[in-house]
Amino acid sequence: NAGVTQTPKFRVLKTGQSMTLLCAQDMNHEYMYWYRQDPGMGLRLIHYSVGEGTTAKGEVPDGYNVSRLKKQNFLLGLESAAPSQTSVYFCASSPQKETQYFGPGTRLLVL
Amino acid sequence: DQQVKQNSPSLSVQEGRISILNCDYTNSMFDYFLWYKKYPAEGPTFLISISSIKDKNEDGRFTVFLNKSAKHLSLHIVPSQPGDSAVYFCAALQTSGTYKYIFGTGTRLKVLA
Repeated sequence: NAGVTQTPKFRVLKTGQSMTLLCAQDMNHEYMYWYRQDPGMGLRLIHYSVGEGTTAKGEVPDGYNVSRLKKQNFLLGLESAAPSQTSVYFCASSPQKETQYFGPGTRLLVL
Repeated sequence: DQQVKQNSPSLSVQEGRISILNCDYTNSMFDYFLWYKKYPAEGPTFLISISSIKDKNEDGRFTVFLNKSAKHLSLHIVPSQPGDSAVYFCAALQTSGTYKYIFGTGTRLKVLA
């Protein structure tokens, strides 16, 4: 099993550009999450999903959209990137509400 | 409003000794607490958890203690090993009402050989 994978690993964007981060899990987990990690801030929940076709806002959802069309995939979109979205993005999945399994992260730089 | 706090950004411990990492929270609605470990350039990995109805959970060298009245939890690692050197995050989960999964800011543990 690959566990949780994230694509791409690193990306540089210009302000105003759009992009989609892909998260895939092969553990048949119901729950999936997107976090961002910034220095001194820990991990902050952006959006999450409790099952295929469902999404919900987390702690810092502004500027991001998500979709969960297939159970194994959770996409995070940035419609118009801003420098404040420079961060490391982590995806996670979980079979129930508690323990989460994280991907390796995507490093995003917005110039 | 930081609902989960790790007030020590870093901690150094001699190999073989005990490491104690602390975490405080403010929200009494949290019903589950977890510790994650993170190495550089990797995602966090789950370490140990505790339900709010318990005060202690042990798994090998790792023990988590929960003091609900003080809204405080701690992770004890005994004995500490150089491979334990990593950043440790505590996290708190609220499942009733508004769903919340809040991480602390992390403590960097360095175990000296």
